[in-house]
Amino acid sequence: KAGVTQTPRYLIKTRGQQVTLSCSPISGHRSVSWYQQTPGQGLQFLFEYFSETQRNKGNFPGRFSGRQFSNSRSEMNVSTLELGDSALYLCASSVNSATNEKLFFGSGTQLSVL
Amino acid sequence: GESVGLHLPTLSVQEGDNSIINCAYSNSASDYFIWYKQESGKGPQFIIDIRSNMDKRQGQRVTVLLNKTVKHLSLQIAATQPGDSAVYFCAETGGGGTSYGKLTFGQGTILTVHP
Repeated sequence: KAGVTQTPRYLIKTRGQQVTLSCSPISGHRSVSWYQQTPGQGLQFLFEYFSETQRNKGNFPGRFSGRQFSNSRSEMNVSTLELGDSALYLCASSVNSATNEKLFFGSGTQLSVL
Repeated sequence: GESVGLHLPTLSVQEGDNSIINCAYSNSASDYFIWYKQESGKGPQFIIDIRSNMDKRQGQRVTVLLNKTVKHLSLQIAATQPGDSAVYFCAETGGGGTSYGKLTFGQGTILTVHP
């Protein structure tokens, strides 16, 4: 069974631009979560989607948004990029994301904002 | 806010030694804990998990211990190998429906295994 797939693997953008990242969960998994990883802040939760609905959201500004499609694939968008948005963005999937369910992570998209 | 923290940011061991990585958590409502391993250029990889109704759980060469009284979690790796070199994160979740998809991660411990 294929793992969580994230595209693209690397991205370079400039300040003020927007970016869209894609995530394909493990087959059969319906929950997709997004995380931001930086050396200074570590791994921080962005949001979670299940059945095309956002069920949970972390403490990030409204520039960070996401969506999920009927096939469970998910995208996240960051608008008006700032230098501080440079990070590894990780997607994780689980079957249902009940409160006690392990998440499987992709390899991430490394975003550099210049 | 609530957080999960690690005592030691780095740990160096010799191949064949046993390794112990520690983690403190602050959310008393946490009821599920996970250890992840992250190698360079990769996402976190699941190692082992434990629920709050357990004190100990064993996997292949790894053991997780949970002490709810002092809110402490540890990962023990037996016969550590060079391939175990990575960053290790503890993570916790719980607290009901608001925890969907949300894990709170510790800062991580860099484990270096010397041949």
